[in-house]
Amino acid sequence: DQQVKQNSPSLSVQEGRISILNCDYTNSMFDYFLWYKKYPAEGPTFLISISSIKDKNEDGRFTVFLNKSAKHLSLHIVPSQPGDSAVYFCAASARAFGNEKLTFGTGTRLTIIP
Amino acid sequence: DTAVSQTPKYLVTQMGNDKSIKCEQNLGHDTMYWYKQDSKKFLKIMFSYNNKELIINETVPNRFSPKSPDKAHLNLHINSLELGDSAVYFCASSPRDRSTGELFFGEGSRLTVL
Repeated sequence: DQQVKQNSPSLSVQEGRISILNCDYTNSMFDYFLWYKKYPAEGPTFLISISSIKDKNEDGRFTVFLNKSAKHLSLHIVPSQPGDSAVYFCAASARAFGNEKLTFGTGTRLTIIP
Repeated sequence: DTAVSQTPKYLVTQMGNDKSIKCEQNLGHDTMYWYKQDSKKFLKIMFSYNNKELIINETVPNRFSPKSPDKAHLNLHINSLELGDSAVYFCASSPRDRSTGELFFGEGSRLTVL
């Protein structure tokens, strides 16, 4: 039962262009969403989050968009840089219901081409 | 200084053995977790401890036993190892103020059961 789905296992983007990573979820109780970035042989590191009361959150080159009706969120990275090459995990939790357990997607490997 | 550290990073062992993975965090966080990333890249929560008290216990075989001697440590002991236990195990921690929902992960411990 995969409640958080990242349907693209990999994505290649030219340096300087926009990277768009997508994530879909099925559990309508999810109300808090996060993106994590993971380099090889390292643990995931937090990138950006968004609450369901918002539809957009921006932090520097990173913007997360949330479409609650479609149960879809996306991470935009612009401009993309070689250091952005990593695996990106989408995660969700149902905080309003007292459940802060994070459910993760399977990740999308982003490769930035110089 | 590593914020969340796990030992060992790599562990190769035979079926039926008992092994432990240790985790320590120096961030002063109250909550610690164990996550398992299997061969399909799913990152799933196993356990969560808040100030030495077990608060999340997912459907995990009772061969897995977490132990938290203090709030800075959460160790994972696995009895009678099976082939399916091969995975990367990540320890994580979070502060009492979980307003961002951010988890701080260790580098992971890759367990291979032969």
